[in-house]
Amino acid sequence: SQTIHQWPATLVQPVGSPLSLECTVEGTSNPNLYWYRQAAGRGLQLLFYSVGIGQISSEVPQNLSASRPQDRQFILSSKKLLLSDSGFYLCAWSVSGVGNTIYFGEGSWLTVV
Amino acid sequence: AQSVTQLGSHVSVSEGALVLLRCNYSSSVPPYLFWYVQYPNQGLQLLLKYTSAATLVKGINGFEAEFKKSETSFHLTKPSAHMSDAAEYFCAVRSSGGSYIPTFGRGTSLIVHP
Repeated sequence: SQTIHQWPATLVQPVGSPLSLECTVEGTSNPNLYWYRQAAGRGLQLLFYSVGIGQISSEVPQNLSASRPQDRQFILSSKKLLLSDSGFYLCAWSVSGVGNTIYFGEGSWLTVV
Repeated sequence: AQSVTQLGSHVSVSEGALVLLRCNYSSSVPPYLFWYVQYPNQGLQLLLKYTSAATLVKGINGFEAEFKKSETSFHLTKPSAHMSDAAEYFCAVRSSGGSYIPTFGRGTSLIVHP
């Protein structure tokens, strides 16, 4: 069966520090991968999605970036965090095909102080 | 283009009462529709999905949803609320002829009173 893991689960970072959140999917090949953010009391905001290695699409211009160095690995990064980057970050995956379900990881809480 | 509207950011029910969470969608082509549940500090978990088979879809934890094309709705129901149902619920739509990226509603927080 397929599983998705993301880490770290919680982190507190000072303003201006770098960020790296990692996500790995197991049990499937060539998944579509996604990064979402939930700010407190708000819905889901799609940040990035990827249909293959090195193929990243950005939905929202910001100081975050994403990379897909391997087929089942998706990384969310920032060189300098802002206070507004605080939130709950969710990695997700799906197989290709519009009717297929998106499955979410456990989430990572980021607090920028 | 596709969009989702969830009516009511908060819904409050008593334990044992009917749960009704509303979702209306907009899609120019036949949609795929999903309901997810999110418990505090966790990721989203699929409750159920509609993919053009039966219009009444049964999901986990006793939830079900009915696809009504004439009303462009996909409301989520459960006959009897349990305390453990307290969570955030998200409706999502994917258009069969368009982008594979789903559009999520803003979520409805279900509060269950004893």
